[in-house]
Amino acid sequence: GAVVSQHPSRVICKSGTSVKIECRSLDFQATTMFWYRQFPKKSLMLMATSNEGSKATYEQGVEKDKFLINHASLTLSTLTVTSAHPEDSSFYICSVRGLETQYFGPGTRLLVL
Amino acid sequence: GDSVTQMEGPVTLSEEAFLTINCTYTATGYPSLFWYVQYPGEGLQLLLKATKADDKGSNKGFEATYRKETTSFHLEKGSVQVSDSAVYFCALMGAQKLVFGQGTRLTINP
Repeated sequence: GAVVSQHPSRVICKSGTSVKIECRSLDFQATTMFWYRQFPKKSLMLMATSNEGSKATYEQGVEKDKFLINHASLTLSTLTVTSAHPEDSSFYICSVRGLETQYFGPGTRLLVL
Repeated sequence: GDSVTQMEGPVTLSEEAFLTINCTYTATGYPSLFWYVQYPGEGLQLLLKATKADDKGSNKGFEATYRKETTSFHLEKGSVQVSDSAVYFCALMGAQKLVFGQGTRLTINP
């Protein structure tokens, strides 16, 4: 399966700042990537689907101006949490669509103080 | 729409016990089915999959059989280990993306 990395693995920031999370597909050209958010002891919530070279498709209830997604190449997608607030603290996981399933990154834990 | 329902957790077992985590689904057509595992602080790893009815997916001693008649994909393992402690997600491939169950937290005590 595809190998997916995320950076950083953990980030702490002050309220009001912006944080960028990178997702890289290391051995697979990913035309489609997904961004999920996971609350403690909960399942994954799909935030958006990003397609290389086009605008991301956001799920209902997800603020596209707050969670900026860029998928500029077949190996890199970024999620920027703008003007972060404590309620944005969460575990963010990216995923790459493969031939038969999706492959997931290790996740990024964001803590907003 | 497509949906996946897993048994409520958490599940706590002793080492070497038999494990079953139930999973049923609702979908149009015959989707591919998956079990993913999430270890503490990590992302999801594909554990096993089945792409058509009566297929059996297996990996690391875990098994699950695609049952079309009961729309189920129950996860089983004959003898669990402490290292199997994790959260397990059942999923189906819907319209170009995965649909997850709510996850089942498994704890194995030595």
